[in-house]
Amino acid sequence: EVQLVQSGAEVKKPGESLKISCEGSGYNFKTSWIGWVRQKPGKGLEWMGIIYPDDSETRYGPPFEGQVTISVDKSTNTAHLQWSSLKASDTAMYYCARHRKGAFDYWGQGTLVTVSS
Amino acid sequence: DIQMTQSPSSLSASIGDRVTITCRASQSIDMYLNWYQQRPGKAPKLLIYSATSLQRGVPSTFSGSGSGTEYSLTIRSLQPEDFATYYCQQTYTTPYSFGQGTKLEIK
Repeated sequence: EVQLVQSGAEVKKPGESLKISCEGSGYNFKTSWIGWVRQKPGKGLEWMGIIYPDDSETRYGPPFEGQVTISVDKSTNTAHLQWSSLKASDTAMYYCARHRKGAFDYWGQGTLVTVSS
Repeated sequence: DIQMTQSPSSLSASIGDRVTITCRASQSIDMYLNWYQQRPGKAPKLLIYSATSLQRGVPSTFSGSGSGTEYSLTIRSLQPEDFATYYCQQTYTTPYSFGQGTKLEIK
C-alpha cells in the first residue's frame, strides 16, 4: 500500500528555521517525483515544487524559488521541505504528494506550520 | 506560467442533481488536466487525470471531458459525500498550477 507520512505540526517564531518531512513507503520511492503543495487557512492549493529522488532534479514554483528548499534522502525514502528564516506569511498547511501519471495520485496527511511571535 | 481559471467559484445543488465545473487554461495544455476533491480538514484526493481518466476507486458518477484550453468535471447524481471543494490542475508544464477551487454546497 502506497503511503506518505508527514511529520507533525510545528509552531515557530518569525526568523526561525524549519525542516518538515514526508516519508514514502509501499512503492519505489526513487523513481517517482514528489511534490509539495501549500494551503493557507481558508485558501486554495498552491504548487510549490517537485523533486525526482533518484537524481534530486528539482523544480520550484516562482513564488517559492529562493524561499524554500526541497530535498530528499534516498536512504530513508524521505522528502524534506525547509525554510531558513520563517515569516508569519508561511503559516499554512503543507502537503507532500507523489506525482505519477501526470498527477498527484497519493497525498500525505499534511503538516500544519504556524509562525507567530 | 499557465493560469487556470475555474468557474463557478461556488455552487449550490441538491442531492441527486447533476453538476458541471469548468476549468479554463491560459494556453493549450493538451489534456494534461487533473481534478481533485478536498473535503474539509482532509488532504486533496485525485479524481480524474489526463482530463478523462477515472482514478482507481473513484465512483463512475464522476467524469471529465475537454481538450485544448477548456475542461470540465461532471458529477451526476450528487451524494452527500460529494459536497466538497474541487480543484483543477494542469501538468503540461511547470509550475503545475491549480485553479482557485470550486466549493460545492448543499442547497
